[in-house]
Amino acid sequence: KQEVTQIPAALSVPEGENLVLNCSFTDSAIYNLQWFRQDPGKGLTSLLLIQSSQREQTSGRLNASLDKSSGRSTLYIAASQPGDSATYLCAVTTGNQFYFGTGTSLTVIP
Amino acid sequence: GAGVSQSPRYKVAKRGQDVALRCDPISGHVSLFWYQQALGQGPEFLTYFQNEAQLDKSGLPSDRFFAERPEGSVSTLKIQRTQQEDSAVYLCASSLEFERYQETQYFGPGTRLLVL
Repeated sequence: KQEVTQIPAALSVPEGENLVLNCSFTDSAIYNLQWFRQDPGKGLTSLLLIQSSQREQTSGRLNASLDKSSGRSTLYIAASQPGDSATYLCAVTTGNQFYFGTGTSLTVIP
Repeated sequence: GAGVSQSPRYKVAKRGQDVALRCDPISGHVSLFWYQQALGQGPEFLTYFQNEAQLDKSGLPSDRFFAERPEGSVSTLKIQRTQQEDSAVYLCASSLEFERYQETQYFGPGTRLLVL
């Protein structure tokens, strides 16, 4: 069974700092990897989707990379803002299943 | 248009009670997914529909859980004889295409179920 791990579990940074969130998965036979954002009491919002053939995707201040062979992905957030405070989840699609990590809770301090 | 909606947003049930959770996907979306998210954990897959067909129900934790999507639009997740371990947030997601691994899923706000 695919296992998805996210480190760190929680992160607190001052506003303006660049930061990296990590995601690792045990089975490299994935179709894609997605990064989501979850705000308290709300559903998940897709941030970036990387197909298995791709190395990275960028959207605004966000950049996600994928190294399928080593089972790793990173989400880079540039110039963090208080509005970035949320839980960030990565998810991989393997076979017919969609597996989530446990998330990184990010707090950006003004 | 509107996103994925779920109702109720919160549900408190007594142990042994039956509950029904509703999901309204984005109009025209073929695929619909249900997930269970325990406190402090990531969502875990429960079941998947393509139109009205339930193609994968391997994630349903027991035969007390039942999902349907009779007309290929609205879906209902039913939990019979609820137990305390069923307490979680139940998330619904939909996507446009049936090739689910190629499409972004759009999530609803979830239903928070508390079983006392």
